[in-house]
Amino acid sequence: AQSVTQLDSHVSVSEGTPVLLRCNYSSSYSPSLFWYVQHPNKGLQLLLKYTSAATLVKGINGFEAEFKKSETSFHLTKPSAHMSDAAEYFCVVSVSGGYQKVTFGTGTKLQVIP
Amino acid sequence: DTAVSQTPKYLVTQMGNDKSIKCEQNLGHDTMYWYKQDSKKFLKIMFSYNNKELIINETVPNRFSPKSPDKAHLNLHINSLELGDSAVYFCASSPTSASSYEQYFGPGTRLTVT
Repeated sequence: AQSVTQLDSHVSVSEGTPVLLRCNYSSSYSPSLFWYVQHPNKGLQLLLKYTSAATLVKGINGFEAEFKKSETSFHLTKPSAHMSDAAEYFCVVSVSGGYQKVTFGTGTKLQVIP
Repeated sequence: DTAVSQTPKYLVTQMGNDKSIKCEQNLGHDTMYWYKQDSKKFLKIMFSYNNKELIINETVPNRFSPKSPDKAHLNLHINSLELGDSAVYFCASSPTSASSYEQYFGPGTRLTVT
């Protein structure tokens, strides 16, 4: 079984300040982990992914995430928030057990205050 | 050059009607998915096809029937629509069903049942 928990449903930051979106997972197998972003009325877009290579993963638009196995975490960070970062962010865990099993977190809405 | 496309974008219909949503991907991917996103933004996988073969069939009412005429298309037919079917439905594709591959999402179809 697998699960993913996004610890904050809403995060509010000021423009130019750091962003931290938290994600914890559980999995019986070695997981692949993803962060997706969804802007209003749009589909989801991949930000970054971890697939058992480097634990610090860099993605698009200045985002990065660190896989910490001991803490079962995959938190998303960005040094400086931009207004265009305001969106819904989803953490996803994926494992293979015959076929791909994908579980989405409940999402974190990021608000950026000018 | 749209990667994953869905039609229609909006669908408003009455309870009891039957409707279909179409999805096409031009990425040459083997695996396609249907997701339902509810009003709280929670995403739940419904079905997955790999090379036209059904590989994931989550607990979904049998009023929902996916069909994959070829690996570039995955359509969703819904019979006897109910109010609770109102949601945004996303189609996605990935190169294979392996867990390490990210998914590419379509723009979504907003279904409203009145």
